[in-house]
Amino acid sequence: EAGVAQSPRYKIIEKRQSVAFWCNPISGHATLYWYQQILGQGPKLLIQFQNNGVVDDSQLPKDRFSAERLKGVDSTLKIQPAKLEDSAVYLCASSRQGNTEAFFGQGTRLTVV
Amino acid sequence: AQTVTQSQPEMSVQEAETVTLSCTYDTSESDYYLFWYKQPPSRQMILVIRQEAYKQQNATENRFSVNFQKAAKSFSLKISDSQLGDAAMYFCAYRSYLRSGTYKYIFGTGTRLKVLA
Repeated sequence: EAGVAQSPRYKIIEKRQSVAFWCNPISGHATLYWYQQILGQGPKLLIQFQNNGVVDDSQLPKDRFSAERLKGVDSTLKIQPAKLEDSAVYLCASSRQGNTEAFFGQGTRLTVV
Repeated sequence: AQTVTQSQPEMSVQEAETVTLSCTYDTSESDYYLFWYKQPPSRQMILVIRQEAYKQQNATENRFSVNFQKAAKSFSLKISDSQLGDAAMYFCAYRSYLRSGTYKYIFGTGTRLKVLA
């Protein structure tokens, strides 16, 4: 089975610009997660979807970050405007409802200069 | 709220030797899952091993095993016969149940494992 797909792998932007990341989860996985991983730290959950509904976005900086999963399949995470402290790896993961394991994509490394 | 603590930022082990990575967590739940994930330079998180809290028997997967101490809220990973390919960041994770019927994963800060030839 195909894994979680993310694009792009790398992105460099200037501060105050906008950027978008795309994630296609494993087919049939109802739950989709976006994590932010700052260098030297563990992944921090930004937002979690169950199908096309948000179940947890308590740590999403909503003044600049937004995410959607309109058809309950693939998802887009956007940052507008970007700040230097947004430099991180953005990981997408998915899991089947009730399953014990989350599967991760390879992430997008964002550098804000 | 649940927390996961990994107190060893970096560990080193000689090839073919054994190493143990530590993890402690805090929770008021009685039924949960714990995981160890490996993150190589490719950045993709790979599941190494999982443990169900209600199972007293420690999980094992080939060269990887855990020492799960529920009362002490400790969940360490033992890697036997270490190989060069084991070099990576290792993250301990706790799976928390949400009322919506889904789960979220809480990660520690990670331990970087170096394997010396």
